[in-house]
This record gives sequence, C-alpha cells and structure tokens, in this order.
Amino acid sequence: DGGITQSPKYLFRKEGQNVTLSCEQNLNHDAMYWYRQDPGQGLRLIYYSQIVNDFQKGDIAEGYSVSREKKESFPLTVTSAQKNPTAFYLCASKVSPFLGELFFGEGSRLTVL
Amino acid sequence: SQQGEEDPQALSIQEGENATMNCSYKTSINNLQWYRQNSGRGLVHLILIRSNEREKHSGRLRVTLDTSKKSSSLLITASRAADTASYFCATDLYSGGGADGLTFGKGTHLIIQP
Repeated sequence: DGGITQSPKYLFRKEGQNVTLSCEQNLNHDAMYWYRQDPGQGLRLIYYSQIVNDFQKGDIAEGYSVSREKKESFPLTVTSAQKNPTAFYLCASKVSPFLGELFFGEGSRLTVL
Repeated sequence: SQQGEEDPQALSIQEGENATMNCSYKTSINNLQWYRQNSGRGLVHLILIRSNEREKHSGRLRVTLDTSKKSSSLLITASRAADTASYFCATDLYSGGGADGLTFGKGTHLIIQP
C-alpha cells in the first residue's frame, strides 16, 4: 500500500540533544512538508521541499533542519536550539507542489524531559 | 499568522443530527480544503473546493465557498459516532498556488453523542 511512514511514533529526548524524525513516502510525490501541531492548535509549517535537493523554510524553521537527498525521504532534525520542541510532528506530501491535496503520515510525538 | 479560522472551536451533537462548521480566511485563494483528524493521528483529506466553485458534495459532506465573504462551511449530514474528530480547513495562497504548503486553522472539535 502506498503512503507516508513516520518514525518513531513516540520519542523522548533530554534537553540539549538533537533528534531526527524520519519521513518516508512511496507515493512518488515531488513535494514534501513538515508541520508542527501543539495541543488545541492548528498546524504550523516548519520546512517544505518541492523537489529533490531543494528545501525552503516555513513559518517556524528556527531550531530545525531538514535534508532531501532522495525523493522518498525528508527527515527532520530537531536541534537543541529549538526552545520548545515538545509537540506532535506531522509529515505530508503532495503529488506536485501546485496540485492536489496533502497526504499525511501518522505523526511523531516528541517529548523533551 | 493563521489564514483560516474555524468556528465553533467545539461542537457536540446527537447521533443522526447534522453538524455544521465554518471557516473564515483572510487573503485570496486558489482552493480551500477540509481535513479530518482523529485523536493522535494524522490528517485525512476530505474535500477540495476551487475558488470558482460555490458548492461541492461528497457522500454525507457538503462544502460551500463564498469568496466575497472569504468563508466556507462544512456540513456533515446524518452524523455518526465515528464522525467524532477534529476538522480543519486549509487554504493555499493565491500567489503560491499551494506550492509553499497549506495554511491551517485551529480546527473544530466535533463530538457525536450516541
């Protein structure tokens, strides 16, 4: 079945540590996105990539980094510079940047201890 | 800043009743989409309505769009307990065509009482 796989589903991190969240898609989609969701809030865009080897900052990119070395993979690193990293992180993709709807993974919940 | 804002923030109705939620947005768009999120899960796309459309149906869902008022509504008819979820509207920016991601509201949390 085609879809988006995020891992891990739950992650605990100590302050000062970097963590990387995985996002893999087998939908052959060009565009991929990372969103952050806080309790009772909407989604806020962290980074997006319209094509392999290219990515752009979203509204809240500070303290995060990404790479897009392969079409199917768009990992997100939450660095120690992110002041309030505890949140639910959602990865999504679109068939092309200008077409269609977003397909979402099941999310990764990061808790900083 | 939030492009879309849903209203009400929470809605509780009896099974079998209709549920209506609204979305307002601020700038010109190419299309507006509605998504559903079950607790602790990812979002699922429900329906997309283009800026030149006024109404669209999909099963028990009916979406309207009024670009002059910059607002949309989602109607779920004959609600079921399984419809309990949060519902989000999402818009693209007219200039970007959605390439730079969609902007989401804070959502309406819908509870269907059995």
